[in-house]
Amino acid sequence: KQEVTQIPAALSVPEGENLVLNCSFTDSAIYNLQWFRQDPGKGLTSLLLIQSSQREQTSGRLNASLDKSSGRSTLYIAASQPGDSATYLCAHSYYGQNFVFGPGTRLSVLP
Amino acid sequence: GAVVSQHPSWVICKSGTSVKIECRSLDFQATTMFWYRQFPKQSLMLMATSNEGSKATYEQGVEKDKFLINHASLTLSTLTVTSAHPEDSSFYICSASWRLEAGELFFGEGSRLTVL
Repeated sequence: KQEVTQIPAALSVPEGENLVLNCSFTDSAIYNLQWFRQDPGKGLTSLLLIQSSQREQTSGRLNASLDKSSGRSTLYIAASQPGDSATYLCAHSYYGQNFVFGPGTRLSVLP
Repeated sequence: GAVVSQHPSWVICKSGTSVKIECRSLDFQATTMFWYRQFPKQSLMLMATSNEGSKATYEQGVEKDKFLINHASLTLSTLTVTSAHPEDSSFYICSASWRLEAGELFFGEGSRLTVL
């Protein structure tokens, strides 16, 4: 059974801190890994997609890395801002299949 | 990015009635659409996968007769919750893709259903 875990479950930091969110999965044969953001009561917004042949992706203050052999991905957020407060979900997929989601990390960035 | 629209964004209904939720891909043709259910502070649970023109594939434990899914066109899928009961109250989210192997999956804004 595919399983995705995320640590920590919740995180509260002061504005300006750099932080790391962790995602672990049990099957190293995954194809894609994607990080999403979900605001309360809203749908999901894709942040970064790491495709099969890639090891990391960057977008602005966000950097995501993928190590399939160890079954881990990390999302690095630099210089956090209150607007970054949301739930961050990681999800992986096999080729041509649906994504399997982790439980998420609820992030609060305090002004 | 591509836009997926969900309607309604929230709905309240009486127990025993049926509710239909629409999911539309506005600027692309979605060969595959997915329906998820999300309980408070929990992750997304896949309910079913629908491909245009064919019957939906339901995940284990999801009642096919309770949650009717139709994907009649490349831009529209509907989820009908039949004879809704309070335990069906939840947040329902759809997603759509035209190139799933590339990981391109776009989500609607979700629909909050409350059954009284």
